[in-house]
Amino acid sequence: EAQVTQNPRYLITVTGKKLTVTCSQNMNHEYMSWYRQDPGLGLRQIYYSMNVEVTDKGDVPEGYKVSRKEKRNFPLILESPSPNQTSLYFCASSLSIGGFRAFFGQGTRLTVV
Amino acid sequence: KQEVTQIPAALSVPEGENLVLNCSFTDSAIYNLQWFRQDPGKGLTSLLLIQSSQREQTSGRLNASLDKSSGRSTLYIAASQPGDSATYLCAVVSSNTGKLIFGQGTTLQVKP
Repeated sequence: EAQVTQNPRYLITVTGKKLTVTCSQNMNHEYMSWYRQDPGLGLRQIYYSMNVEVTDKGDVPEGYKVSRKEKRNFPLILESPSPNQTSLYFCASSLSIGGFRAFFGQGTRLTVV
Repeated sequence: KQEVTQIPAALSVPEGENLVLNCSFTDSAIYNLQWFRQDPGKGLTSLLLIQSSQREQTSGRLNASLDKSSGRSTLYIAASQPGDSATYLCAVVSSNTGKLIFGQGTTLQVKP
């Protein structure tokens, strides 16, 4: 089954404790991206990657890192999480940038206390 | 800067009604427009994708139209059912930046 898989689905952590949210897709997609969803602000792009070893900042990249060492994986790293990073996070992929359908993971609900 | 707006923010209808959700965008330089469905606490499911050169797409009881010149799209849901209750998100892929830009969504409740 074609899918985007995120882990974990739920995470509660403390301020400053490094964490990684994993994202994996099995569709051989080139384009992958991370979003956060907040009430009243909608979905905002954090980082995106057009292919292996190619990543770029989205609209709200501060406090986040990403890497794309393999085509299928695109982990999101929070080096020193803060409470304002409490949010619902989504990973997405599509065949390429442009006119292709986007597939989303099930989301990771992160709470930073 | 591309902005996407969805009206109304919330909608409640009785079962069986036909309904229309609206989406507008400010910049016509788009690759495509996509409609998604999001159930509470869940991920986004792609419903329909309309390429910039197309006028409409249909899937079952759903029909989406696109008028790129006026910056508008509508999602028509025929014979609504309680299972259609969800948040519907419209998004455009900018042909300038390649980014997927979302509207705030319309939360639909279909009452039995």
